[in-house]
Amino acid sequence: GQNIDQPTEMTATEGAIVQINCTYQTSGFNGLFWYQQHAGEAPTFLSYNVLDGLEEKGRFSSFLSRSKGYSYLLLKELQMKDSASYLCAVRDSNYQLIWGAGTKLIIKP
Amino acid sequence: SAVISQKPSRDICQRGTSLTIQCQVDSQVTMMFWYRQQPGQSLTLIATANQGSEATYESGFVIDKFPISRPNLTFSTLTVSNMSPEDSSIYLCSVEDLDRGNTGELFFGEGSRLTVL
Repeated sequence: GQNIDQPTEMTATEGAIVQINCTYQTSGFNGLFWYQQHAGEAPTFLSYNVLDGLEEKGRFSSFLSRSKGYSYLLLKELQMKDSASYLCAVRDSNYQLIWGAGTKLIIKP
Repeated sequence: SAVISQKPSRDICQRGTSLTIQCQVDSQVTMMFWYRQQPGQSLTLIATANQGSEATYESGFVIDKFPISRPNLTFSTLTVSNMSPEDSSIYLCSVEDLDRGNTGELFFGEGSRLTVL
């Protein structure tokens, strides 16, 4: 079966750095996405990785290792507004999106 | 980017009734996707709405329970039929962005939060 694993919940301090991991087992691979979802709102796109390595976009970076079936989302200089759920999703060989359950990130002052 | 309007944003429904959710996109798109997100859980694709043809349903979802219309390239509806409390969920409409080098990121509507009593 296809599976995406990410931690259920993480807590971090304002101003710090946090890394949210995602491991996947899918039928083929055609890209990995990270989305942010604030409580009661729709998911919004954060990043996309299809090749190994690090993609940086401001305070957020996303890393991919296809051989390990592994990605992480790195959030720097955390702000209170970063409190949200972070969803990892993988596009498989059939171009279907497989979604993780999301990681709820709690930022404390 | 696409702007997606969804309504109703929330509703409380009685068991056995049906509710239709509308999704309007500000640009023409080939495919529109309907997702369900139950509390604390992942997004689950219900079906893909194609203009001019029947919707494509995922395993576990059937047309009788979730009929979909797609009358044109900017609009779709999802009906949740004969509702039970297990249908209480957030229903999300989404479209794929194919303009940014084909990354295929999704844009989502605001979601429709249904509570079935």
